[in-house]
Amino acid sequence: EDKVVQSPLSLVVHEGDTVTLNCSYEVTNFRSLLWYKQEKKAPTFLFMLTSSGIEKKSGRLSSILDKKELFSILNITATQTGDSAVYLCAVGMETSGSRLTFGEGTQLTVNP
Amino acid sequence: DTGVSQDPRHKITKRGQNVTFRCDPISEHNRLYWYRQTLGQGPEFLTYFQNEAQLEKSRLLSDRFSAERPKGSFSTLEIQRTEQGDSAMYLCASSSQQGAVREKLFFGSGTQLSVL
Repeated sequence: EDKVVQSPLSLVVHEGDTVTLNCSYEVTNFRSLLWYKQEKKAPTFLFMLTSSGIEKKSGRLSSILDKKELFSILNITATQTGDSAVYLCAVGMETSGSRLTFGEGTQLTVNP
Repeated sequence: DTGVSQDPRHKITKRGQNVTFRCDPISEHNRLYWYRQTLGQGPEFLTYFQNEAQLEKSRLLSDRFSAERPKGSFSTLEIQRTEQGDSAMYLCASSSQQGAVREKLFFGSGTQLSVL
């Protein structure tokens, strides 16, 4: 069975800290890995990764994929209270059309 | 790009009643998805459409659930004879068919269903 596992499940930090969120996967015919941020309702897209070793960056957020070890990390530097959210990792597979399989998410809380 | 819209935002119903949700995808997107999310869990795939064709349904999807996308634009998700276990957030998403970005899903804000 296809599996996407995120860790930690929850994390509390202070503003200015750097955090690393983890996502590991066991799926057949991997195609892509995506990160989403979910603040209240709608998950919003952050990154899509398809190749190993190529870092994607957007401001203070960055992500990288390791297809050999089957994991990805999402880094957030100089955290702000607005970064508080659930961060979801999802995997797309060649055999699943464009359906995504999601992990449970990491609940990040950034305190002032 | 007006985004994905869902209606209603909240629905409270009694066990045994039927409910229907609507999703309007981003206009140029031909793929539409329904997911269900419960507290503390990631979204769980239910079904997806390419244009008006329903291409995949989760094997977890009960016969009480049915989805349509009659003209390849908006979609409806109906749950018949609701049960308390159906209480969840129902998320709709859409994407473009174009190769590399077809998995980049854009989500609506969801319909929160509470079955009493």
